Amino acid sequence: QVHLVESGGGVVQPGTSLRLSCAASGFTFRRYGMHWVRQAPGKGLEWLAVIWSDGSKKIHADSVQGRFTISRDNSRNTLYLEMNSLRVEDTAVYYCAGDEGGRPFDPWGQGTLVTVSS
Amino acid sequence: EIVLTQSPGTLSLSPGERATLSCRASQSVSSSYFAWYQQKPGQAPRLLIYGTSSRATGIPDRFSGSGSGTDFTLTITRLEPEDFAVYYCQQYKSSPWTFGHGTKVEIK
Repeated sequence: QVHLVESGGGVVQPGTSLRLSCAASGFTFRRYGMHWVRQAPGKGLEWLAVIWSDGSKKIHADSVQGRFTISRDNSRNTLYLEMNSLRVEDTAVYYCAGDEGGRPFDPWGQGTLVTVSS
Repeated sequence: EIVLTQSPGTLSLSPGERATLSCRASQSVSSSYFAWYQQKPGQAPRLLIYGTSSRATGIPDRFSGSGSGTDFTLTITRLEPEDFAVYYCQQYKSSPWTFGHGTKVEIK
């Protein structure tokens, strides 16, 4: 069964850092490009970052460029999102999602909530 | 960046009725790279339609997609109780991957 399970969310203060993880199972992780997408409370979906299946290329959205970094460990079937200098407006549910070579986002994880508050 | 504008923002319909959701792109999108997702409260998005008109695995045939260029449509022929949700369109051709702001289909 295909599964993506995010972890690492929580309540943090502005200016601090957090690392999210996304553990994959049930599919060949190393064949999938992987993305992070977030959803602020009551809002729509915002794409944040992508990493190629072999990790050779990464692209980050302008809104998080320089603060967030996507990475992966194919030996551990795990995707990461390092988030620095967190802001109140980064408060959201963070989802990981896979794309098999330019295909749409499928599967998705269940999401992990990050709350940035003083 | 390709901006996707969905309309209407909210659609109030009764079970059994037909739903027509629209998504307009700020520039032409390859039909091979256009998708629709369904999201229910507290759940992750679920892929419904990809490549403009192909249904994802397990999606019932009351869901259909169409369109080309800058105008795309998701149609639900007869709404079932489980179809009341928020629907997002997406282009996945290239960075930045973008989503529409969603159409909420609510029970009238």
